[in-house]
Amino acid sequence: GAVVSQHPSWVICKSGTSVKIECRSLDFQATTMFWYRQFPKQSLMLMATSNEGSKATYEQGVEKDKFLINHASLTLSTLTVTSAHPEDSSFYICSARVALAAYEQYFGPGTRLTVT
Amino acid sequence: AQSVAQPEDQVNVAEGNPLTVKCTYSVSGNPYLFWYVQYPNRGLQFLLKYITGDNLVKGSYGFEAEFNKSQTSFHLKKPSALVSDSALYFCAVRDPLDTGGFKTIFGAGTRLFVKA
Repeated sequence: GAVVSQHPSWVICKSGTSVKIECRSLDFQATTMFWYRQFPKQSLMLMATSNEGSKATYEQGVEKDKFLINHASLTLSTLTVTSAHPEDSSFYICSARVALAAYEQYFGPGTRLTVT
Repeated sequence: AQSVAQPEDQVNVAEGNPLTVKCTYSVSGNPYLFWYVQYPNRGLQFLLKYITGDNLVKGSYGFEAEFNKSQTSFHLKKPSALVSDSALYFCAVRDPLDTGGFKTIFGAGTRLFVKA
């Protein structure tokens, strides 16, 4: 089956620094990737949708200058949390589809970010 | 806009007994419906989906779900629960008529506890 990996699986950073999270589709080409945020005991909240080679579409309330998303290739998308603050601490999950309208959506294992 | 509701925060069931995790949805068109399972500190794993056709959908690990259009429900079921089924379950919906049909909206999640 299709596999999506994320790196790192967990990261601790100091307030004010930036952190980059990678999402890779290992055995398929992902035209579309999604980034979600999950707070403890809560559901997944869609942050943004990115299509390879174009700018990401951010959901309302998500700061595009703070959460930089790059989808430079069909197998790699990155999320950079800039000038991180403790309230950015969360579980970030990426997901990928082979095409925007494809039924199947494959999820990465998630990255736990802790900002101290 | 589409939405999905999981009315139970938690479901408790004894091992060997049947289990049901409830889900209702709201979309403007014919929905795409999904169930995912999440284990602690892990990403989501796909269980099953309903796109069209037979209302009873069979998925991974012995799970099944029934699409009921009149009740706008898509309850997840399993005839005999296992302790290893204990996890967080998410129902998700996609409305193909909504902005190109690319957003998957997740319910709040239902935590399933299976007692030995």
